[in-house]
Amino acid sequence: GESVGLHLPTLSVQEGDNSIINCAYSNSASDYFIWYKQESGKGPQFIIDIRSNMDKRQGQRVTVLLNKTVKHLSLQIAATQPGDSAVYFCAETLNTGTASKLTFGTGTRLQVTL
Amino acid sequence: DSGVTQTPKHLITATGQRVTLRCSPRSGDLSVYWYQQSLDQGLQFLIQYYNGEERAKGNILERFSAQQFPDLHSELNLSSLELGDSALYFCASSAPNSPLHFGNGTRLTVT
Repeated sequence: GESVGLHLPTLSVQEGDNSIINCAYSNSASDYFIWYKQESGKGPQFIIDIRSNMDKRQGQRVTVLLNKTVKHLSLQIAATQPGDSAVYFCAETLNTGTASKLTFGTGTRLQVTL
Repeated sequence: DSGVTQTPKHLITATGQRVTLRCSPRSGDLSVYWYQQSLDQGLQFLIQYYNGEERAKGNILERFSAQQFPDLHSELNLSSLELGDSALYFCASSAPNSPLHFGNGTRLTVT
């Protein structure tokens, strides 16, 4: 499939290690944040979301942390697997119900080595 | 599988031509969004429709237009195509206050 963002920042981690992907968002008024995973040739896939009234949310092997003071979002992946290799995007929005367009970050490429 | 269907998967056309990209949202989702993804620009929001009406507009060129039909499917029309329009075009759908779910995109190549 077509490579997305050939010049993206890249994070290389060994299989089994934990991964931390960071994102700085732009709009202090944003109140809803989402992490997406994009594999080659596919569309962005929803991983986990968090609302601004929370600072941490956990899913299966993933945790999102939100620091509104410094407008920072991170995605932690526990026990990283080869199938986690992809480009990861954070997205922010000011959720107004029916009009909630997402603004995406530039993305980080995660490479999992064996 | 996100439940969002986009056709065609690939499209190759010449400069100056017009194309139509099609999107079927997830069952029950009233909102449809169009995004453009190029190698140097990332995911750029183009336009959003909610239940047939335009709800939000992003960096969409005047040569581009979209609509959402009564059955909630959407079409993105790109006209007077230029080489720089070559990109992946994604459609997404959502329910209110819920995350967007994306299709697998249409890869447009303008030659």
